[in-house]
Parts: sequence; C-alpha cells; structure tokens
Amino acid sequence: GAVVSQHPSWVICKSGTSVKIECRSLDFQATTMFWYRQFPKKSLMLMATSNEGSKATYEQGVEKDKFLINHASLTLSTLTVTSAHPEDSSFYICSAQGDRAEAFFGQGTRLTVV
Amino acid sequence: DQQVKQNSPSLSVQEGRISILNCDYTNSMFDYFLWYKKYPAEGPTFLISISSIKDKNEDGRFTVFLNKSAKHLSLHIVPSQPGDSAVYFCAASEGQGAQKLVFGQGTRLTINP
Repeated sequence: GAVVSQHPSWVICKSGTSVKIECRSLDFQATTMFWYRQFPKKSLMLMATSNEGSKATYEQGVEKDKFLINHASLTLSTLTVTSAHPEDSSFYICSAQGDRAEAFFGQGTRLTVV
Repeated sequence: DQQVKQNSPSLSVQEGRISILNCDYTNSMFDYFLWYKKYPAEGPTFLISISSIKDKNEDGRFTVFLNKSAKHLSLHIVPSQPGDSAVYFCAASEGQGAQKLVFGQGTRLTINP
C-alpha cells in the first residue's frame, strides 16, 4: 500500500506552547488529507479535511483557531495545536487520499501536554 | 448519533479458527466500506474494502461480506493467526473518492494460541 509518514511519533510540550505535526505522503500525491484524534479506547474522531491549496474544512465542535491545518503541497499537510493545554493530550492521526479510494494512515502522534 | 457501530468491543478466537467481526451502519447513503487494523500507538492499516455494488470481496485470509438490506457488514479472517490480534475498525463513506470516513468504535480481536 501507499506510505504516509507522520512526524513526530510522540511529543511532550509545556502548557501554553504550540506543537506542529507533519503528515507526508511519500509515494503518491495526496489531494486530500484528513486529521483524526483518538481518545483512549475510543474510535477515531475526524477533526478536519484539508485539500491542497485551500482552507481546511473543520468538523463541528473542532476549534479551527486552535487546530491550525495547512496543506501547502500535494505531499504535505501540517496540524498545529496552538496554546496547548493538558486536555489536548491525545493521539493524533493523519490520513491521505490520492486517486485511490482507500485512505492511508500515518503512524500517529502521541501528544502529551504537561 | 453513531452512524457506524461495532457492537462487540472485544472478541477472542482460538488460533486456526475463523474470526468474524461485525459492523452495522445507519446511513443509507454510505456506499463504500473499509476495514482497518490498528495496533496500539500506530495508525490504522488498510485491510480490505467493498463497494455497495458487491456483496462479497475476498483477499487472502480476509473476506468482507455486505448485506445492504440489513445495513450490515462483516469481516471474516480464516484461519486466524496470533499476528491478527489488534483492534479492527470498520469505516464507511459516501462515494469512493476522497470522502471522509466514518469509523465504528472498533473491536479488539485476541487470537489465543
């Protein structure tokens, strides 16, 4: 299958700081990337959909000013958690889709805000 | 409202036997369904998919069955192997393009030796 690389795999940051997570499609062009959040023992919750060169579409209840998404190229999307708080601690996962129907996921990023 | 439901949070199966994971959905607009496997602290890995124009799709040890009238799909793994132990998510979308996926809650499958 296609390869999607997410970086970093884990990060610890202080409350009030910002953290950037990168999602790269390594061997295909991703016209659309999705960002998910997974709470412990819960399903994947879609946060936003980003299309290359346009503004991200956020799901209801997701603060767009807190979770900044940039999809500047067909192979890279970034999620920046701004002014992070302990309640933002979670597992964040990106997925990318190109011309194939199935989405391919990154390895995920474990964010811990202390 | 949970549009995709996996009612069994966990399932234990003996090695070599068949594992059957179930998934129900409520949105009749869903026409593309996928199964993903996930290990702890990793992203989901795509396993198999099925379009609503089919009722079965097979890939090696994995077979997905779709019953549109019942809005139900299932994943069969046979024979089950210890490496199959993971959390399995079913997902659904409207269309096969770059559509957002709606995930079920997941079922933790444990294969016992």
